[in-house]
Amino acid sequence: QKEVEQNSGPLSVPEGAIASLNCTYSDRGSQSFFWYRQYSGKSPELIMFIYSNGDKEDGRFTAQLNKASQYVSLLIRDSQPSDSATYLCAVNRKDSNYQLIWGAGTKLIIKP
Amino acid sequence: GAVVSQHPSRVICKSGTSVKIECRSLDFQATTMFWYRQFPKQSLMLMATSNEGSKATYEQGVEKDKFLINHASLTLSTLTVTSAHPEDSSFYICSAPQRTGTYEQYFGPGTRLTVT
Repeated sequence: QKEVEQNSGPLSVPEGAIASLNCTYSDRGSQSFFWYRQYSGKSPELIMFIYSNGDKEDGRFTAQLNKASQYVSLLIRDSQPSDSATYLCAVNRKDSNYQLIWGAGTKLIIKP
Repeated sequence: GAVVSQHPSRVICKSGTSVKIECRSLDFQATTMFWYRQFPKQSLMLMATSNEGSKATYEQGVEKDKFLINHASLTLSTLTVTSAHPEDSSFYICSAPQRTGTYEQYFGPGTRLTVT
């Protein structure tokens, strides 16, 4: 089992709809969770982080964390073609000088 | 978010030569920086953790004598690819936590290395 798992996609969503991206992790002791967006040929950009169970909203983005189920998700409301990118989920690696464990990423395509 | 720069953004070199990539934190001090490599259509692969004033920590399978890391100041880490070969062609990205003791990493724009 991979430490951080994401569906590779591509996930195709019509413009204006809600895009839902999912991530599961194996270490029950993980405490910090991150979503990054990476456009093709560019470096990752931090979108959101979440540390507590529940929802965290920032504009059109909502991160959801369920530690009991070891599950973190990212919802993108009113999806725009500019949201088309690969979304990377990352989880802290304990006792590791603040390293992150990365999922392989989900490719999201927003269709106009 | 925090600003991290990398130089050069793109480099082409001949097989057998060495290439140095610089990573700078522009508006904060970074005691730790991370170096990643990413091949096309693949995810990030952590190569090493760069620690200011001490030796870098390399991930399993990464040759420390081939990928030399120096973190001489709180705002600069360098990665030198020595005796580069075509298989070293990749996208090299550095990152740093904005605040010491946090996991939030901010990435530089990356360096695309092509070895001919």
